Amino acid sequence: AAGVIQSPRHLIKEKRETATLKCYPISRHDTVYWYQQGPGQDPQFLISFYEKMQSDKGSIPDRFSAQQFSDYHSELNMSSLELGDSALYFCASSLGRGSEKLFFGSGTQLSVL
Amino acid sequence: SQQGEEDPQALSIQEGENATMNCSYKTSINNLQWYRQNSGRGLVHLILIRSNEREKHSGRLRVTLDTSKKSSSLLITASRAADTASYFCATVPIYNQGGKLIFGQGTELSVKP
Repeated sequence: AAGVIQSPRHLIKEKRETATLKCYPISRHDTVYWYQQGPGQDPQFLISFYEKMQSDKGSIPDRFSAQQFSDYHSELNMSSLELGDSALYFCASSLGRGSEKLFFGSGTQLSVL
Repeated sequence: SQQGEEDPQALSIQEGENATMNCSYKTSINNLQWYRQNSGRGLVHLILIRSNEREKHSGRLRVTLDTSKKSSSLLITASRAADTASYFCATVPIYNQGGKLIFGQGTELSVKP
């Protein structure tokens, strides 16, 4: 079975540009989580969605927004990019909001120049 | 780190030796999980231990949990070069119904052939 798919795999942007990251969860998974991992850092929780509604919010900057669509895929929109936004962005999915096990995608490596 | 601290931050051992990594966390938890991450890649779930469990085994992995000390350890026995990766502990706080994981800082394990 296919795992969590993230696109693009790599993304290079200039400062002040915008970026959109996409996440396609495992089939039938209704919950999506977004994490940001800076170089040498632990993954930091950004935001999650359950059944297309925002479920929880972490340290997500106001410049970022996200949503989950009717087919359960999710997009993370990032505007006014800063150098510090350079990081690996992970998406994870689970079946149910209280599920114990999350399945992670391979991540999108964003580089802001 | 949002939640836990891990030690050591880096560990270098010879193939065949055992590797022990420790993790501490701050809040009461529902469960604690260990993940593995190869360089720049996605996070792979290794093992989960619930707050009412003290020890769990899975293949060459052994996890212990001490809720009174808010700490956990991951033991990898008979290590292999392929075990080289970063290892993170992650907790699901007891107050959190959304299922999000809070990660510790990770231990970078290097197993030399």
